[in-house]
Amino acid sequence: IQLTQSPSLLSASVGDRVTLSCKGSQNINNYLAWYQQKLGEAPKLLIYKTNSLQTGIPSRFSGSGSGTDYTLTISSLHSEDLATYYCYQYNNGWTFGGGTKLELK
Amino acid sequence: AVQLVESGGGLVQPKESLKISCAASGFTFSNAAMYWVRQAPGKGLEWVARIRTKPNNYATYYADSVKGRFTISRDDSKSMVYLQMDNLKTEDTAMYYCTAETTHWGQGVMVTVSS
Repeated sequence: IQLTQSPSLLSASVGDRVTLSCKGSQNINNYLAWYQQKLGEAPKLLIYKTNSLQTGIPSRFSGSGSGTDYTLTISSLHSEDLATYYCYQYNNGWTFGGGTKLELK
Repeated sequence: AVQLVESGGGLVQPKESLKISCAASGFTFSNAAMYWVRQAPGKGLEWVARIRTKPNNYATYYADSVKGRFTISRDDSKSMVYLQMDNLKTEDTAMYYCTAETTHWGQGVMVTVSS
């Protein structure tokens, strides 16, 4: 299964509602996770099984979707959210999307 | 707290071999599927290999890009996971991350393949 993330680069302001998209080449059956990676750091799990928030992750992060189309939403952007975000499917093999880099406008 | 610490990276020439290791602590290692994920400089994440637990016969899985060249293994008595990399290619140059159930991640170890 291939994953396509859009946009590849997103410029936003602090306080904005931000939506990131991930589209699979086949049905992912909700086995979709989201990771945040800041420069020079390891990835951090934010969301698993489409919409389950990992322990310790702020509630401004949420996930949704079904079938082939999934979304990560940040309800109100904080400056510390600037990072690259990756979706990851584990329904059929294991695949990462190409990433969305979130930068300050 | 969960801790994963990779080691053994470095600079090698094409066609050479290298074995990297990951020491785990802070969770029941024998119950966790372990993975290696890599990231080439300036690029995205790529899943490399996975090894399941003893009840699942330590089944292993590999990305097509490394199949036949890389071998993942584990030692539950030492809470260690390994990646043996043979016939290395320049395109294997990357930061290699060890991850438990893709939930907890180490800080990574750099492998550079260059002549």
